Amino acid sequence: EVQLVESGGGLVQPGGSLRLSCAASGFTFSSYSMNWVRQAPGKGLEWVSYISSSSSTIYYADSVKGRFTISRDNAKNSLYLQMNSLRDEDTAVYYCAREVEYCSSTSCYHYGMDVWGQGTTVTVSS
Amino acid sequence: QSVLTQPPSASGTPGQRVTISCSGSSSNIGSNTVNWYQQLPGTAPKLLIYSNNQRPSGVPDRFSGSKSGTSASLAISGLQSEDEADYYCAAWDDSLNGLYVFGTGTKVTVL
Repeated sequence: EVQLVESGGGLVQPGGSLRLSCAASGFTFSSYSMNWVRQAPGKGLEWVSYISSSSSTIYYADSVKGRFTISRDNAKNSLYLQMNSLRDEDTAVYYCAREVEYCSSTSCYHYGMDVWGQGTTVTVSS
Repeated sequence: QSVLTQPPSASGTPGQRVTISCSGSSSNIGSNTVNWYQQLPGTAPKLLIYSNNQRPSGVPDRFSGSKSGTSASLAISGLQSEDEADYYCAAWDDSLNGLYVFGTGTKVTVL
């Protein structure tokens, strides 16, 4: 069964740090790009970060750039999100999601996020 | 802040057709394909439509998507009670160095 399982969420004070993990199983993790997406309480979805299968391409939303770092370990079938300088507005459920894409030598064609984890909750509060 | 605008709510009775709009710009919908996600209450999002109008395996054919210019739409025909959920459009945006944007979301209520 294709599955993504997030962990590492919790309560942290403003200015603190947290590292989220996402364990993948049931598919060849090293062949897929991955994303982190978050959802604040009662709000809509917000894309956070993207990492390509080889880690050669990384993108961040402006709201987290310079504070969050996405990474992956293909040998461990795991995706990570290191979150530093956390703010109240970072409080959210964080989902990891598999990206379906095809990349040629010049362009990448994206087909959506087809597998999602159940989410892990991050609460930033004093 | 989302750059894709959706109506906050839509509703219909069972069997009716409901349409949700998604308005963007030349840098996102105008330049890239649109995906739609369904989020049932208390669950993770699910890919409903990709590449403007393609359904992943297992998605009922009562869900359909279309795109024209800088706008897209999702139609649900033969509305069923289990379709009551939040729906989000999404697309990559070329205006900045790598940015994926979700729509504001639409809550569909089955009356």
